Amino acid sequence: GAGVSQSPSNKVTEKGKDVELRCDPISGHTALYWYRQSLGQGLEFLIYFQGNSAPDKSGLPSDRFSAERTGGSVSTLTIQRTQQEDSAVYLCASNSRRDRAHEQFFGPGTRLTVL
Amino acid sequence: AQSVTQLDSQVPVFEEAPVELRCNYSSSVSVYLFWYVQYPNQGLQLLLKYLSGSTLVKGINGFEAEFNKSQTSFHLRKPSVHISDTAEYFCAVEQGGSEKLVFGKGTKLTVNP
Repeated sequence: GAGVSQSPSNKVTEKGKDVELRCDPISGHTALYWYRQSLGQGLEFLIYFQGNSAPDKSGLPSDRFSAERTGGSVSTLTIQRTQQEDSAVYLCASNSRRDRAHEQFFGPGTRLTVL
Repeated sequence: AQSVTQLDSQVPVFEEAPVELRCNYSSSVSVYLFWYVQYPNQGLQLLLKYLSGSTLVKGINGFEAEFNKSQTSFHLRKPSVHISDTAEYFCAVEQGGSEKLVFGKGTKLTVNP
């Protein structure tokens, strides 16, 4: 079975441009998370989706960040009007809340560089 | 808010030596504790976790950790490290019901020959 996949693996963009990052969770996993890993801040929670419930957006750093999850599977994280401080590795994770194992399975990440 | 402190940002050790990576968290109220490892240019992989029960938990690759509620600690140990253990290690806490992880800043373990 495939793990969590993310695309692209690397993205270089110019300041002010919009970017979209994609996450394909493990099939059957109802929960999906986005985290950001940067040199200054370490690993930070961004947003959490669970089934059909309203997402927990409490970690999004600004209104330039948004995410959606279509059909309970694939998720897209969108950053509008990118800034240099958005440069980081964006990690996606998924798990099955039903098994109560609490393990999140992480993808390889997307490295975003804003010039 | 929950916080996680990893006291050492870098730990250099020689091959076959024992190692302890330290982790403290801010609240002992109904927490789940995790150690993840990140090899260069890869995602995070779960090493071990504490949910309940025995306070000594064993994980993959010979690692173990002990949950100490009174000291709010969850230190990671390995009795004899290998070159291949060179990686960054992250301690994380999920406060019961929050369904999201709070991570420490990470500890870079470098195993030298």
